[in-house]
Amino acid sequence: GEDVEQSLFLSVREGDSSVINCTYTDSSSTYLYWYKQEPGAGLQLLTYIFSNMDMKQDQRLTVLLNKKDKHLSLRIADTQTGDSAIYFCAESIGGYSTLTFGKGTMLLVSP
Amino acid sequence: NAGVTQTPKFRVLKTGQSMTLLCAQDMNHEYMYWYRQDPGMGLRLIHYSVGEGTTAKGEVPDGYNVSRLKKQNFLLGLESAAPSQTSVYFCASSETGRGNTGELFFGEGSRLTVL
Repeated sequence: GEDVEQSLFLSVREGDSSVINCTYTDSSSTYLYWYKQEPGAGLQLLTYIFSNMDMKQDQRLTVLLNKKDKHLSLRIADTQTGDSAIYFCAESIGGYSTLTFGKGTMLLVSP
Repeated sequence: NAGVTQTPKFRVLKTGQSMTLLCAQDMNHEYMYWYRQDPGMGLRLIHYSVGEGTTAKGEVPDGYNVSRLKKQNFLLGLESAAPSQTSVYFCASSETGRGNTGELFFGEGSRLTVL
């Protein structure tokens, strides 16, 4: 079955690094994604990683994938107050017809 | 480009009333989806469509119906609204085929309250 788990809340100070963790259960996941939701808005894709990769870096974002442990993480370097949002981990399987989302991690960045 | 547009953005219904949420996308995407978002529950898939004229059930389809008569539109209907359907509803669309990442493009959401 498909299940994606995330911690619900993370609080950091501005300038620190943030690490948001996610575990998934389906080993046949093709892509894994991180989406960001700002207050009152829809979700926007932040970054993604293909299942045959271990790491992906995109400016302040680093995604690490441990397929053995079915663990995905998102590291945000030099976290800013504008990074405060809900971050969703999601996985797709096979033909990408549906994504399964975690419950979301609320990141609060304080000055 | 407008992307994914949902109407209405807000609606209040009484128990037993019916309504339709409209989703329109201008990206020529094949796949369209309806999710609901509830506190502590994340996003749950209600119904989806893999092309014009097709629909399929998601994780929480009961109490909802959908139609995809035109490729660009995906309608979500509530025939007899219940308080448990109070939620924020999100429509999304995606491209298909080799080389695509399966990224979903979301609308801004429709907040529905059922009294």
